[in-house]
Amino acid sequence: GAVVSQHPSWVICKSGTSVKIECRSLDFQATTMFWYRQFPKQSLMLMATSNEGSKATYEQGVEKDKFLINHASLTLSTLTVTSAHPEDSSFYICSARAVIGGEYGDTQYFGPGTRLTVL
Amino acid sequence: AQKITQTQPGMFVQEKEAVTLDCTYDTSDPSYGLFWYKQPSSGEMIFLIYQGSYDQQNATEGRYSLNFQKARKSANLVISASQLGDSAMYFCAMGPRAAGNKLTFGGGTRVLVKP
Repeated sequence: GAVVSQHPSWVICKSGTSVKIECRSLDFQATTMFWYRQFPKQSLMLMATSNEGSKATYEQGVEKDKFLINHASLTLSTLTVTSAHPEDSSFYICSARAVIGGEYGDTQYFGPGTRLTVL
Repeated sequence: AQKITQTQPGMFVQEKEAVTLDCTYDTSDPSYGLFWYKQPSSGEMIFLIYQGSYDQQNATEGRYSLNFQKARKSANLVISASQLGDSAMYFCAMGPRAAGNKLTFGGGTRVLVKP
């Protein structure tokens, strides 16, 4: 089946530093990728929609200058948390949408998540 | 706007018994999809089952079945013959008919299967 990977799976950083999280679709091309954030014992909240070759669309309340998203190819999207602070500590999950008409149809596959801890 | 409500924050179920997880939704879209995902403690989101708003029959996938009542705007998940490995968080989600469009998630229900 379709596989989505994330790297790193967990990261600890100091306050004020920037952290980059990669989301890759390993065996299919993804025109669209989504970035979610999940706090402990809470649901997933969509942060932004990332389309290959164009600017990401951010959900209301998400700071686009804080969470930089780059979707440079059909298999890779990156989320950079700039000048991270302890309140940015969370579980970040990406998902990838398969190209319509491709082997995997039109559905959304999730990565395993990245746990970010900012000290 | 779309809204998903899961009223059961947590529940216990005896191994080998069936369990029903509630999900109600609200949307003004005439065409939509309803999804259930399982999230074990490892954090990964595992797709379980999908129901389209115009599908005539309730969806089934192995031990999972979806009790879709369109008039009531409910899409309850039924897990039959519960196994210890079913212990996890379960999220109901909805979105435009194609799963590839952005999803709105409910608050989740934690299921603990007792041996």
